[in-house]
Amino acid sequence: GAVVSQHPSRVICKSGTSVKIECRSLDFQATTMFWYRQFPKQSLMLMATSNEGSKATYEQGVEKDKFLINHASLTLSTLTVTSAHPEDSSFYICSAGGPETQYFGPGTRLLVL
Amino acid sequence: AQTVTQSQPEMSVQEAETVTLSCTYDTSESNYYLFWYKQPPSRQMILVIRQEAYKQQNATENRFSVNFQKAAKSFSLKISDSQLGDTAMYFCAFMVTGNQFYFGTGTSLTVIP
Repeated sequence: GAVVSQHPSRVICKSGTSVKIECRSLDFQATTMFWYRQFPKQSLMLMATSNEGSKATYEQGVEKDKFLINHASLTLSTLTVTSAHPEDSSFYICSAGGPETQYFGPGTRLLVL
Repeated sequence: AQTVTQSQPEMSVQEAETVTLSCTYDTSESNYYLFWYKQPPSRQMILVIRQEAYKQQNATENRFSVNFQKAAKSFSLKISDSQLGDTAMYFCAFMVTGNQFYFGTGTSLTVIP
């Protein structure tokens, strides 16, 4: 099946710094990618829809200035957590695919100290 | 609005036995897809089985099968001959063509030796 990669797999940063997470579709093109957030022992919650060549669409309650999304090419979307705080510590997962299914990246574990 | 409900937060099963995980959903859409994903401690989302709503035949994948009842909006997962490696969190998910996933709250399954 298709492969979606994420980098880094885990990151630890200090409060107030910014962190960039990359999501790549390795063997297919994706005009749309999705970003999810998952807290321990909870389900995946959609944060935003990343659209190639246009602005991302954010879910209600997600701060677009806090979570910057850039989808500059058909194989790469980036999520930047700006001025990260301890409450931003979480597991972030991206997905990409087609009209009938989605492929999930392995996730990025973010810890903000 | 699309919703997915998993009413069993935790379940356990003896090794080699059979277990059924429940899932119900609500949608007004006529074309959609249903999925069961497994999330082990690594937190990688692993596709277990997929069902197209327009197909009446229940999907099967080796030891995994579903009971899809479209009128009742029910999509349960049966795991036969349970193995220790089946221990994981299981998420039921729903997707309208080309759109994002909607996830249930998950069922934590433990296979007991």
